[in-house]
Order: sequence, then structure tokens, then C-alpha cells
Amino acid sequence: TQLLEQSPQFLSIQEGENLTVYCNSSSVFSSLQWYRQEPGEGPVLLVTVVTGGEVKKLKRLTFQFGDARKDSSLHITAAQPGDTGLYLCAGAQDRGGSNYKLTFGKGTLLTVNP
Amino acid sequence: NAGVTQTPKFQVLKTGQSMTLQCAQDMNHEYMSWYRQDPGMGLRLIHYSVGAGITDQGEVPNGYNVSRSTTEDFPLRLLSAAPSQTSVYFCASSYWTGTSNYGYTFGSGTRLTVV
Repeated sequence: TQLLEQSPQFLSIQEGENLTVYCNSSSVFSSLQWYRQEPGEGPVLLVTVVTGGEVKKLKRLTFQFGDARKDSSLHITAAQPGDTGLYLCAGAQDRGGSNYKLTFGKGTLLTVNP
Repeated sequence: NAGVTQTPKFQVLKTGQSMTLQCAQDMNHEYMSWYRQDPGMGLRLIHYSVGAGITDQGEVPNGYNVSRSTTEDFPLRLLSAAPSQTSVYFCASSYWTGTSNYGYTFGSGTRLTVV
């Protein structure tokens, strides 16, 4: 059973379009992170959200943590070819101590065509 | 600041051979982990460590060993390579902010093929 479900799995859009990627779970997370991975490289951290309902913005990227801390979304405005990559969400569950262990979703592969 | 360094970048092994994947970080992070990434499976945790001398198993530990003798280094040993261990391996490190895991810094990966 996949703890974190990401949708869509694949997304191909034209430059300038908007898009939203979703990360859903039936479990509660103490924090949730989003990463972007390019071919041949390791994932790179984009953002960490820790408070239910929290919204963070990173230029054209907007991240939201659900009120119940079970889901998150990533919205990209006016996508550019440089946004192409694999977007991964990862959640940490508080087990009474430091919540280092992350569980990753399978990712959304985004292609932005010029 | 090098971050997380993994070596080698590519490796081909024959079934039954053993090898060690190296991982070193220079950020004084207490937490280090090893993941494997396979198509359609995402990133799966193999082993992790919350500090020197402390290691624990992740989701898919069979066939792998780790040790953490220093804060900087966290090598992953394949005891007897099998074709099912063909994968891309990532090492990552992190630290605790006091309220949450700050976020992982990943190495650039080791692409391993077992024939």
C-alpha cells in the first residue's frame, strides 16, 4: 500500500499553461516536503510545510498543506520548459521523536513543451 | 561546500560479487539515509542512521549492510549482488530544526547494474 499517492503520474503541457499536482494520503504527517528531480541527478528540496493550511510560494510555484495535514498540492503558474522534471512529495510522521524518516510518493513527471 | 558526495557514479557487478557504495557529507548532519529508486516504485528507504554508531533498517533492507562510524560517512555494502539490486542508489542527509526535519540533501546517485 502506497502511503502517499501522487497525481497525475504524467503531465505534458505547453509553455505558459498553469498546472496543479496533488499528493494525498489517509495518514497524518507532521511535515511534508516537495522535491524536484532532473534526469541523472538527485532530488532537490523545494519546500517544507509543517502547519495545516500553510501556503508557501516560491516564485511561480505555490505549495499548500491541507488543513488536516493529510494532503498537499503544488501549483505552477505560467509553466516554463525549465520546470520540466520529476516532482516528488515526501511526508514525515511523528513517532514521538525526531521525524527524520520520509516516505516518498512515486512522483509526477512534468514535461513543459516550448 | 560539497554537500553529499557519492562514489562511484556508475558500477557494473556480476551476480554474487560484493561492493561498497560510498557516501560522505560535510554539513555535520546527524541524519543519513540510503534510498533506491526504481521505475514505477519511487524512492524506497534501505537503511538510515540518526547519528554515529546508530543505524536502523528501512523498507527494503535485505541484501544490504550499513555502518556509521563517523558523522560524515555512511557506506552501503552489498553482500552478494543479485540482478534484483540493479537500481539507482541515493544517499541523503538532513538535520533536525527542533520542530521538524529540515529536508534532505541528496547525492547525485550511483547507477548500479548487476549482470
